[in-house]
Amino acid sequence: EVQLVESGGGLGQPGGSLRLSCAASGFTFRSYSMNWVRQAPGKGLEWVSYISGSGTTTYYADYVKGRFTISRDNAKNSLYLQMNSLRDEDTAVYYCARDWTYCGGDCYSWVDYWGQGTLVTVSS
Amino acid sequence: DIQMTQSPSSLSASVGDRVTIACRASQSISSYLNWYQQKPGKAPKLLIYTASSLQSGVPSRFGGSGSGTDFTLTISSLQPEDFATYYCHQTYSTPRTFGQGTKVEIK
Repeated sequence: EVQLVESGGGLGQPGGSLRLSCAASGFTFRSYSMNWVRQAPGKGLEWVSYISGSGTTTYYADYVKGRFTISRDNAKNSLYLQMNSLRDEDTAVYYCARDWTYCGGDCYSWVDYWGQGTLVTVSS
Repeated sequence: DIQMTQSPSSLSASVGDRVTIACRASQSISSYLNWYQQKPGKAPKLLIYTASSLQSGVPSRFGGSGSGTDFTLTISSLQPEDFATYYCHQTYSTPRTFGQGTKVEIK
């Protein structure tokens, strides 16, 4: 059974830092790209970042670029999000999400599994 | 960036109704479009991938269609457990944008 368990959320200060972790199990972690997706209280889903299975390719949304860093440790089956220079608008539930890619000519991707989320609150 | 616009933002419907939710992309995304269902306090759940493929375990009353810029999620006969918020999501290019969501409420 695929399981994704986030941790590391909590209260962060504006301008401060937090590090989120996601422990993966039930699948061959290194074979899958991963994402972080967030949801502010009462708002919609917002994609944050992507990392390939090897960790060599990463993408970021403009609103976190230069402040957040996605990384992974395939030996530990773990995904991370280092969040620096936190802002009030980073307050959200952060979800770890697995990417599934199918290639049959063109390659298509979709998120097929999500963790339960971890709440980050940025406030002084 | 590709903008995803869903309509309506919310709707009220009764059990047994046919429900249609639209999603429009600001540029062509071929079939790189997926649909998710989210219930309050829960993680999203994949319903449809590549615009029209039903995820394993999802009831057949859910269906997706479209290609290019215009897509539709249809629930053929709304059930009590279907009251939730639905999101479209494009994976054609980064940033991988979501629609703003459509909340399906009980009439």
